[in-house]
Parts: sequence; structure tokens; C-alpha cells
Amino acid sequence: AQSVAQPEDQVNVAEGNPLTVKCTYSVSGNPYLFWYVQYPNRGLQFLLKYITGDNLVKGSYGFEAEFNKSQTSFHLKKPSALVSDSALYFCAVRDMWNNAGNMLTFGGGTRLMVKP
Amino acid sequence: DGGITQSPKYLFRKEGQNVTLSCEQNLNHDAMYWYRQDPGQGLRLIYYSQIVNDFQKGDIAEGYSVSREKKESFPLTVTSAQKNPTAFYLCASSPGLADGTDTQYFGPGTRLTVL
Repeated sequence: AQSVAQPEDQVNVAEGNPLTVKCTYSVSGNPYLFWYVQYPNRGLQFLLKYITGDNLVKGSYGFEAEFNKSQTSFHLKKPSALVSDSALYFCAVRDMWNNAGNMLTFGGGTRLMVKP
Repeated sequence: DGGITQSPKYLFRKEGQNVTLSCEQNLNHDAMYWYRQDPGQGLRLIYYSQIVNDFQKGDIAEGYSVSREKKESFPLTVTSAQKNPTAFYLCASSPGLADGTDTQYFGPGTRLTVL
């Protein structure tokens, strides 16, 4: 079985400050990990993914995420937040080996609010 | 939103009616998916299809039906058996099992409201 937890419903940060959106996962094998962003009344946009290799993954719009196997975490980060980063963020996981249908499991989402 | 289109953007349905949501992709992806999103909640998988003429139930398939007659199209029918259909419906596609990571890409969504 595979699962994802996003422990914070909302994260508030001031513009220009660093931001972190947390994600922890559980898989029986090795994980593929993804971050998506959703703006109001829009579909999800792919930000970045971890497959293997370097634990720090860089993605779109200046976002990056750090894979930590020992803590089973994949936190999303950005050094300097913009007001336009305000949106709903989803973490997702797929077990690399134990997933016949190649299905993604999504977290419940974290709303990021960046204030001027 | 890329090469995935969903129509209509907004849909209103009377109780007891069936409605069909359209999803088309021009990415030449093998796999397609339907998700339901409720306010303040994550995504739940309704149906998915890894290949033409084949599809599988997801976590919440009751009250929904799909078809996959063409590679680029994966329509979803919300039947009168679905007790609470008001939600935001998202279609996605991915390259398929031949692609190692099989990243899913999403359409813009259809908001369905039952009157």
C-alpha cells in the first residue's frame, strides 16, 4: 500500500521569505514522488518529481524539493516566496515496484498563502 | 494544462439526469484518468485506462461509467446512481507503463453542479 500525508492544511509566509510545504510518504518499495500546484478553478500543474539520484530536485518557478529516505519525506521549498505562489499544493507518490496499475496517491493538499 | 482539454468548464445537472464530461488529449499518451475533487479535499480516482478499449475502476467508481474507444478520448458519464455528484472533475493523461516515471498531466477541469 502507498500513502501520502501533508500535515499542514495551510502555510502562511511573507513575501520574500523562504517557504516549506511538508510531505511525508509511505510505500513498501521505492518511491516516485511528485509535487503539483493548483490555482483556483484550474487543473493541477506539474512542478517536479523525484525518481532516483540527487536528493535535491529542482523544478518549475524556482521550486525545489528534498528527498529524505530516512525520514520518508519530500518537502517542497523555495528560497524567496512570491505573492503569485499562493495556491494549493499537492504531493503524490507511486510505489516504483509494487503498483500494478501505476497509480498515484495524492495527499490532501496544503494551501500556501503568501502575504505582501 | 497543456494538450489536455475538458469540456464543458461548468455543467449543471438536474437530479435524475445522466451527464457526460468530455476529455481529449493530443499528447499521444496511452493512459488516461478521471479524478474527483471536493472542496478542501485531495483527489480521488474514479476510473483509469492504460490502453484503448480497456479501463479499470478506481477508488470511487460507483455511479460513474467511462469508455475508451479512441486513444485520445476518455469521456466520463455521471449517472443518476451517483448520490452526490456535485464536485470538480479532473482528467489526466500519462505516457503509460512504457515510461519509467509515467508523469500525469492534468486538464483544466469541469465543475459539475446538481440543481
